Amino acid sequence: SQQGEEDPQALSIQEGENATMNCSYKTSINNLQWYRQNSGRGLVHLILIRSNEREKHSGRLRVTLDTSKKSSSLLITASRAADTASYFCATDFTGGGNKLTFGTGTQLKVEL
Amino acid sequence: GAGVSQSPSNKVTEKGKDVELRCDPISGHTALYWYRQSLGQGLEFLIYFQGNSAPDKSGLPSDRFSAERTGGSVSTLTIQRTQQEDSAVYLCASSRGGISSYEQYFGPGTRLTVT
Repeated sequence: SQQGEEDPQALSIQEGENATMNCSYKTSINNLQWYRQNSGRGLVHLILIRSNEREKHSGRLRVTLDTSKKSSSLLITASRAADTASYFCATDFTGGGNKLTFGTGTQLKVEL
Repeated sequence: GAGVSQSPSNKVTEKGKDVELRCDPISGHTALYWYRQSLGQGLEFLIYFQGNSAPDKSGLPSDRFSAERTGGSVSTLTIQRTQQEDSAVYLCASSRGGISSYEQYFGPGTRLTVT
């Protein structure tokens, strides 16, 4: 399978702490995207990072990409209870024909 | 502006019946995708439409599944002779173009339960 795999599967932290989620994939990619899913808002795009980029920031989010290790990480700083959700990485792998391959996700719980 | 809408939001059907799921993408988005998400799982790609090109059907799990996109806008996913393993949330997404450049906007999904 060329599916991305997130690590850890579940993460529980206290509000104000940082949360780090990792994604590994198997083949070369054009880009990698992170999405968030919660019951209230469905699936929402967070960040897209291209294969020639190493790091991107968006507000409290920081994404890194290491193509040599075929891995990406999503860091959420100063977490809030509202960040509680499932986080998925999705890869557009080279030769994949313009479709995203999603991982199984990390379930993040931020407790007050 | 209006996002991606899907209908119905919930569908309960008996095994063996056919179902149709509808997706209205964001106006002007040329790309449209269907995914399936089983409980506690990631998203499974089903089919992709881009403009007037032939759709990428490589993710459809069986010939009971088909999809159309009329006029480059609304799409319908049809499942014939439904089976219990078809129970899942079916998600539609649209984007301005091919995914190499653009993010996907997802609809709220249709929860299908086959009894």
